[in-house]
Amino acid sequence: TQLLEQSPQFLSIQEGENLTVYCNSSSVFSSLQWYRQEPGEGPVLLVTVVTGGEVKKLKRLTFQFGDARKDSSLHITAAQPGDTGLYLCAGPNNYGQNFVFGPGTRLSVLP
Amino acid sequence: DTGVSQDPRHKITKRGQNVTFRCDPISEHNRLYWYRQTLGQGPEFLTYFQNEAQLEKSRLLSDRFSAERPKGSFSTLEIQRTEQGDSAMYLCASSSQGAGGYTFGSGTRLTVV
Repeated sequence: TQLLEQSPQFLSIQEGENLTVYCNSSSVFSSLQWYRQEPGEGPVLLVTVVTGGEVKKLKRLTFQFGDARKDSSLHITAAQPGDTGLYLCAGPNNYGQNFVFGPGTRLSVLP
Repeated sequence: DTGVSQDPRHKITKRGQNVTFRCDPISEHNRLYWYRQTLGQGPEFLTYFQNEAQLEKSRLLSDRFSAERPKGSFSTLEIQRTEQGDSAMYLCASSSQGAGGYTFGSGTRLTVV
């Protein structure tokens, strides 16, 4: 079974600070995705990374896929209260047609 | 078409009752997924349809759970004889074959009392 671990589990920071959250596995993934989920809503896809070492930027968010395609990181610059939410990473299940999700990092950005 | 719709948004039921949830995917998407999410956890896969065919079922999907997607459009998820452990957010997602990711609905939050 492919498992994705995420750290930290919880993160509370002040507006304007920078932060990095991590997604790790002992398995190789052909791609990884990052989603953000707000309370009471479904996850929303932020980005898909496909190539080992790939870096993608989405405004203040920078996503990196590890060279070995076993891990990924999400860096947020100058966090804002609107960045508050549960950040989930997900990867395709090698044994099926679905995606495996990590447990998420719950981010709280205080004004 | 504005996205994936799920109905109801919230459901409170007594233990032992049956419940049914509906999901309307994005019309162009031929793949539909059901996931379950409990507090503090990521979504867990339940089942997957390609068009009207149910191609995968998780071991989490006990005999009390059944899902259908007649005509390859909307889908229903039924839970019979609900138990307190069934309390969770039930998420539906759709995608196109070959596309990179899911579009999720807002979910149905089930509370079994």
